[in-house]
Parts: sequence; C-alpha cells; structure tokens
Amino acid sequence: ETGVTQSPTHLIKTRGQQVTLRCSSQSGHNTVSWYQQALGQGPQFIFQYYREEENGRGNFPPRFSGLQFPNYSSELNVNALELDDSALYLCASSRAGAGAREQYFGPGTRLTVT
Amino acid sequence: DAKTTQPNSMESNEEEPVHLPCNHSTISGTDYIHWYRQLPSQGPEYVIHGLTSNVNNRMASLAIAEDRKSSTLILHRATLRDAAVYYCILSPSGSARQLTFGSGTQLTVLP
Repeated sequence: ETGVTQSPTHLIKTRGQQVTLRCSSQSGHNTVSWYQQALGQGPQFIFQYYREEENGRGNFPPRFSGLQFPNYSSELNVNALELDDSALYLCASSRAGAGAREQYFGPGTRLTVT
Repeated sequence: DAKTTQPNSMESNEEEPVHLPCNHSTISGTDYIHWYRQLPSQGPEYVIHGLTSNVNNRMASLAIAEDRKSSTLILHRATLRDAAVYYCILSPSGSARQLTFGSGTQLTVLP
C-alpha cells in the first residue's frame, strides 16, 4: 500500500510569484485535505477536496486554490506569494463517508518565500 | 469549534509509561476525541480516537473521563522514537474532515 506522497520536498520562491504543490493520495482514499504549518505552530486547515470539488475551506484567501484529479491526486496553487506564506504545506488523504475517522499525512513541502 | 487545552511540554523516561492530558470542557455530545502526533521533520500521524469509552490500539490507549471534559493519551512504555508533538483534536461527528490543530504537547523522552 502506497502512502501519501508530496512533491517537491523543498522549494524557494520570490514574493509575488506563483507556486504549485502536488500530492498523491493513499491507495483507496478519495478525499484530500491541505494544511499550512508555520514554524513552531500546529497545522492550519486550508481546504478539502472530494470528488474533484472543494468540500470545505479554512480561513485562507482566494489566492490559495486547489484541484483534485480523477485519480484523487491533488494540487495546491498559491498566487501572489507573500513572505508569510513561508511554511510547511501538508497534504492528507482519507476515505469519505461514515466510519472514515483518520487522515493520513504526507511528509510535506517546505516553501520558502524571499 | 470546541477547543482543547494541553500542556506545552512534558518529559518522560525511556521505558516508563507516559500520560498526556487534554482538557476539552466545551466538548459536544457528538465530538470525537482524536490524537495525532508529529515526529520531527514528518507530517502528523494518526494515533487513536474515541467517543465515550476507553480505547486501546497497538500504539496507545485513550482514557476518556466520564463527563468527557478531559482525556488522557497513555503510552505504555515510552521509547526514544515516541519523542514528538502530540495533538489532541475534537472532530464533529468523528468524520475525517477538517482537523483543527492546537499547539500540542512536546514530549521529550530521556534515555
């Protein structure tokens, strides 16, 4: 069984640029959630995708957007990068429906904005 | 969302039991109690969850107070690999939807 994978591992961008982060969900999982984790803090929920539609969103501006593909993989796009966007971005996959209790996290992508 | 309160840090000796407390006095009747942990340089990892009854799995035990206003994660024999930040999270209806993480408890395991 393949776990959640994310790419790239690290990247450095300049303020104002755009970035795309990628996530492959665990086998059998159809729901993907994205989280932002600033240094020294707990992860903060960005949004969740189910059946290729956004299925819940946290307190993040519209320049944070996402996609989910038919194979359940997902992308997180961030436009007009700001210095405060520097963080670890985590992807988590899960099964939808009753009984689905756990989220399985990937190792994250470390984004640095200079 | 109901909030949880955890100590910022705890220490334990290797091979001894660890009891990690969590207070959630505003928990609602349908909130499940989840625990995740985050090892250094890794994403969070599911540990255990429960609603009312105590729960055991291969990783840990979860003891839930009778009034559900507090819970305790129990690691029966701490190892150096258990050093991590432990998060106590309430999940409405227990579904795997958005998780609201606090700042967690940093567990240090001493050899």
